[in-house]
Amino acid sequence: SQKIEQNSEALNIQEGKTATLTCNYTNYSPAYLQWYRQDPGRGPVFLLLIRENEKEKRKERLKVTFDTTLKQSLFHITASQPADSATYLCALNMIYNQGGKLIFGQGTELSVKP
Amino acid sequence: GAVVSQHPSWVICKSGTSVKIECRSLDFQATTMFWYRQFPKQSLMLMATSNEGSKATYEQGVEKDKFLINHASLTLSTLTVTSAHPEDSSFYICRLKPHASATQETQYFGPGTRLLVL
Repeated sequence: SQKIEQNSEALNIQEGKTATLTCNYTNYSPAYLQWYRQDPGRGPVFLLLIRENEKEKRKERLKVTFDTTLKQSLFHITASQPADSATYLCALNMIYNQGGKLIFGQGTELSVKP
Repeated sequence: GAVVSQHPSWVICKSGTSVKIECRSLDFQATTMFWYRQFPKQSLMLMATSNEGSKATYEQGVEKDKFLINHASLTLSTLTVTSAHPEDSSFYICRLKPHASATQETQYFGPGTRLLVL
């Protein structure tokens, strides 16, 4: 069956450390993988997109890797801050469906302590 | 600033009533709009895809007669939850695909509408 799995348990880290979140998927062949931030009671906010032929992408303190062999993406936040506390969602965008269906993971809640 | 708005942001209604949720594109024309539903601590589940001027395409398991979608213009899509029941209580979110060519990095979600059915 098709699945997208993110760390189900909340991730608690100390301010200044690097947070690493995992997204694993099975029986999908995504063209793109995206990461979103979602705050309680709010819609998702787009952070980064990485294509199937890209290994790594960076944006300020954020870094995403994409391993299509392992079917895994890692999302890193370096020098984390309490303001980074939120739920982070990964989403797969399927081949030949550009801009179309996004299949979401259940999200990982990150808490950064001062 | 926000490019997508939803109205209302939250609504409480009695069981059996119908609720209409609007999703507006503020800055561009959107040929395609997507409606998602999210239950607490769960992922966003795609309900349907609506294209301006045509019937919406519903995902498996989503009742089209219960969740009416109208994409009447390039800037407005509405989702009506008919005869709402407590199990319909959820967070409803729209997503837009701009009419003009946009890079895949361009993703627009609405702020969401919290529905509570008593």
